[in-house]
Amino acid sequence: DGGITQSPKYLFRKEGQNVTLSCEQNLNHDAMYWYRQDPGQGLRLIYYSQIVNDFQKGDIAEGYSVSREKKESFPLTVTSAQKNPTAFYLCATQNSDNQPQHFGDGTRLSIL
Amino acid sequence: AQSVTQLDSQVPVFEEAPVELRCNYSSSVSVYLFWYVQYPNQGLQLLLKYLSGSTLVESINGFEAEFNKSQTSFHLRKPSVHISDTAEYFCAVSGGSGGFKTIFGAGTRLFVKA
Repeated sequence: DGGITQSPKYLFRKEGQNVTLSCEQNLNHDAMYWYRQDPGQGLRLIYYSQIVNDFQKGDIAEGYSVSREKKESFPLTVTSAQKNPTAFYLCATQNSDNQPQHFGDGTRLSIL
Repeated sequence: AQSVTQLDSQVPVFEEAPVELRCNYSSSVSVYLFWYVQYPNQGLQLLLKYLSGSTLVESINGFEAEFNKSQTSFHLRKPSVHISDTAEYFCAVSGGSGGFKTIFGAGTRLFVKA
């Protein structure tokens, strides 16, 4: 989706290192989401935010942190506490509950 | 709590054959239903949505889905598939008790063979 930019596309993490995944949107959507995708497991919600300066934990928040200082940006930090971070991470936005989510092209995180 | 069940993890089919990808949801109130498609190493793209009105919804590339309230189903169909339809398909539900949050099924991998 051209309105959501995720970077980098590929990311490698060393043991004990925190890494931050970027998600920027120009769709002016209020809600933003982070999902983790593992093979055969669909999408699992990590964190979501419905308004600036507010966010909630999803189903698998342990080992992750987020911030929402601007409407356009919702970065995700994968901390060293996340012991199995290798996955495909997707950022999404949404305008209201009766509208679909819009997705970025994802970041693939691997362990060195 | 809402949930979405995609009944088939993989569906192999020959080119030009019809296909049905099955999706059932559970919710005690009215919800909004979606089908997304994901190609390798990409994000999800909306295929079609049911918000209200006609229970049969169609996409621009020949897919259709029918909302069946009594059976709480939203199956996706295409009368004749192409090689390019090979992808993973996700059924999703939002609204109702979940509010903004969207609940996704585990996905169905459609593999179209020549």
